[in-house]
Amino acid sequence: GDSVTQMEGPVTLSEEAFLTINCTYTATGYPSLFWYVQYPGEGLQLLLKATKADDKGSNKGFEATYRKETTSFHLEKGSVQVSDSAVYFCALTANSGYSTLTFGKGTMLLVSP
Amino acid sequence: GAVVSQHPSWVICKSGTSVKIECRSLDFQATTMFWYRQFPKQSLMLMATSNEGSKATYEQGVEKDKFLINHASLTLSTLTVTSAHPEDSSFYICSASDTSRGSYEQYFGPGTRLTVT
Repeated sequence: GDSVTQMEGPVTLSEEAFLTINCTYTATGYPSLFWYVQYPGEGLQLLLKATKADDKGSNKGFEATYRKETTSFHLEKGSVQVSDSAVYFCALTANSGYSTLTFGKGTMLLVSP
Repeated sequence: GAVVSQHPSWVICKSGTSVKIECRSLDFQATTMFWYRQFPKQSLMLMATSNEGSKATYEQGVEKDKFLINHASLTLSTLTVTSAHPEDSSFYICSASDTSRGSYEQYFGPGTRLTVT
């Protein structure tokens, strides 16, 4: 079945540091890929997405590129802020039917001033 | 657009009682709704998928008689935890899709924290 693997956290960075959170996936066909963010005590918010190979999703300074050859969708940000502290989930869904989301285990990011 | 609300945001109930959680799509028709459960510091576990007017499809290992899901309209789904026990304490999150528009993107509610004492 489909699966998503994320790097384990927590990832601890100082403000303005560069962020990379690795995500790789296993899926049949051509899935859509997502990054969701969850702030403490809240539900999930869609951060960015990409629906086909070589697409780059971007939002709020975060970027991720859909790499089919390496089955990866790594999340990056050039300069993190304290307010970016949250749990980040990589996820995929097949592009057919009412497809369910398959989530990675989540990576906690802690940014200190 | 694409806002999903949940009510209540948190609830405390006594063991043996039932509790209902509502999930509403505020500005779109939710042809499909999903219910997830999240344990502390863990990922989301899909419990069930429901289409408006149909019975929910439960994931393996989820007791359908314990977690009753109703999706009676295009804007409302409810999850009822029956005869709740402390092990049912968790964070429950719903999401909704409007697949009639050919989109399978899920929009998530803010979650409901259930504590069973």
